[in-house]
Amino acid sequence: DIVMTQSPLSLPVTPGEPASISCRSSESLQHRNGNKYLDWYLQKPGQSPQLLIYLGSNRASGVPDRFSGSGSGTDFTLKISRVEADDVGVYFCMQALLTPYTFGQGTKLEFK
Amino acid sequence: QVQLVQSGAEVKMPGSSVKVSCKASGGTFTNYTFSWVRQSPGQGLEWMGRSIPLLGTANYAEKFYGRVTITADKSTSTAYMELRSLTSEDTAVYFCASSGNNGGSYYHYMDVWGKGTTVTVSS
Repeated sequence: DIVMTQSPLSLPVTPGEPASISCRSSESLQHRNGNKYLDWYLQKPGQSPQLLIYLGSNRASGVPDRFSGSGSGTDFTLKISRVEADDVGVYFCMQALLTPYTFGQGTKLEFK
Repeated sequence: QVQLVQSGAEVKMPGSSVKVSCKASGGTFTNYTFSWVRQSPGQGLEWMGRSIPLLGTANYAEKFYGRVTITADKSTSTAYMELRSLTSEDTAVYFCASSGNNGGSYYHYMDVWGKGTTVTVSS
């Protein structure tokens, strides 16, 4: 199985400041069709996960443009340009190049 | 957009089975695939498998092969996940999640999630 490793696992932030989460895969997530099969999900407290970013850099419907995804090969990053109160929760990356789809351990974003 | 409503919480004895349902509404059932993802207490997310109602097929994570069956009933627009030979390690919240299509192939990403079904395995 492809192993996904996130860092940091805990991310204390100040509202209004930027935040960045790294996700590394044990093998390249670049498909020969040109797509990068890496998605980002946010699980807010007490809720189901919700899709933020798909195929590495595409924002899902309704996701604010302060969220952005980038990266290639085995290294990916989720950036929040200015963290807001509603962004608190656990962020997961997930690879979908091969089944079983596998998730990172999660990064808990909380306010300082 | 499709909406997913899952069945209620279950408490099961070790060695028994559980079957969780996920009813879809607001979209054409066969336009979607339905994945099952579980989350053990305080743990991360684990993809278990996926059903493709249009084809009547499913694929599974090897970890669960032989112990899980994922099905879909087109007549009721409901997806199911049955897990057998339960142990305490199966205590978790089980989510169903849907993936749409672009007219040619199904997307991999899961953009609609149910609220989750808590399964507790305890003697």
